[in-house]
Amino acid sequence: ESVLTQSPGTLSLSPGERATLSCRASQSVSSNYLAWYQQKPGQAPRLLIYGASSRATGIPDRFSGSGSGTDFTLTISRLEPEDFAVYYCQQYGSSLLTFGGGTKVEIK
Amino acid sequence: QVQLVESGGGVVQPGGSLRLSCAASRFTFSNYGIHWVRQAPGKGLEWVAFIRSDERNKYYADSVKGRFTISRDNSKNTLYLQMNSLRTEDTAVYYCAKSDSAGPGYVDYWGQGILVTVSS
Repeated sequence: ESVLTQSPGTLSLSPGERATLSCRASQSVSSNYLAWYQQKPGQAPRLLIYGASSRATGIPDRFSGSGSGTDFTLTISRLEPEDFAVYYCQQYGSSLLTFGGGTKVEIK
Repeated sequence: QVQLVESGGGVVQPGGSLRLSCAASRFTFSNYGIHWVRQAPGKGLEWVAFIRSDERNKYYADSVKGRFTISRDNSKNTLYLQMNSLRTEDTAVYYCAKSDSAGPGYVDYWGQGILVTVSS
């Protein structure tokens, strides 16, 4: 089972700043089957990125994903007020899916 | 727009059982695999189980294997999660989550979630 470690645990930034979130896997993620989700309080998660770098339908282009193998990154180029939330990575390269522990992006 | 609506949650004593349902609509249910994902209060997301579109494959997290059973009825567009021998650590919001494919892919749509509380 691949363990996903997200860092940092919390990111304190101001609107307009750039956010860089990391997701590291304990073993190589097959075919870069890595997704990112955003979750706001009291809501279900929302898909942002799949296949490490493909944006889901309706996701603004300020969100981008990159990486391969064991190291992946979610970048938010310029934070908007609605982007302050918790972000999770997830691998789906094996039949037993796993999520990272999450990164909270909070307003500084 | 895809709809997934969970039901069947509530309060149950440790050792008890509960069956969750997820009613799906606005997509061809029989073509897609479905996951259950849970979130304990104030914690992160935990994948629980998956069932392939044709029920040929089912997968479980180690934390629930042997206690939970995932199933589906494609004629009723409904997914189930039978939860037995419940423990306090099973307390969570349970989400029904549609895979992007017949197999265990990423989640492209989520239900609103249903709360299960295991407490004496």
